[in-house]
Amino acid sequence: GQNIDQPTEMTATEGAIVQINCTYQTSGFNGLFWYQQHAGEAPTFLSYNVLDGLEEKGRFSSFLSRSKGYSYLLLKELQMKDSASYLCAVRKNQGGKLIFGQGTELSVKP
Amino acid sequence: DVKVTQSSRYLVKRTGEKVFLECVQDMDHENMFWYRQDPGLGLRLIYFSYDVKMKEKGDIPEGYSVSREKKERFSLILESASTNQTSMYLCASSLEGGGSLQYFGPGTRLLVL
Repeated sequence: GQNIDQPTEMTATEGAIVQINCTYQTSGFNGLFWYQQHAGEAPTFLSYNVLDGLEEKGRFSSFLSRSKGYSYLLLKELQMKDSASYLCAVRKNQGGKLIFGQGTELSVKP
Repeated sequence: DVKVTQSSRYLVKRTGEKVFLECVQDMDHENMFWYRQDPGLGLRLIYFSYDVKMKEKGDIPEGYSVSREKKERFSLILESASTNQTSMYLCASSLEGGGSLQYFGPGTRLLVL
């Protein structure tokens, strides 16, 4: 079977740092994606990890541990515009299929 | 820039109607996908296609069919719409191989009355 878990909601303060966790159980793991989705809009790509370790891209970083079935997305220097849903998605070996978690709704407060 | 477009942003249909949702991508991607997104359930894959005239069932294909007659176009068909098909429908496309980064369209919010 396959299962992806992430918190439903998180709240953080403008300027702070927030970490959104994602745990997964799946056979044939072949990469993990993070997407950002603002209300009423399409998901947009943030990061991709296929090997263990940290990938940094500006204010956003993503970490993967394949042995633990665990990833996190780290957002630094939070801005109000970072209020959005963050989707964790796992790619399986076969083809381009992605399996999505339910998403984490992040609210950034002043 | 990759562009994925969907025929409608909002659609209202009646129970029993046949509904067509169209998706077009302009980057010559091999793979195309249809998802529905519901609160608390995330994105769930309905159907996908790896090539023209090719289709495979996703996790929730019941009540839906698809058509891919041309590489750039992937249609989702609700043969007889029901109220439980009220949802946000998202189309995506990706290249074959590599990281299979999926690019999403803006979504169609469908209400079935």
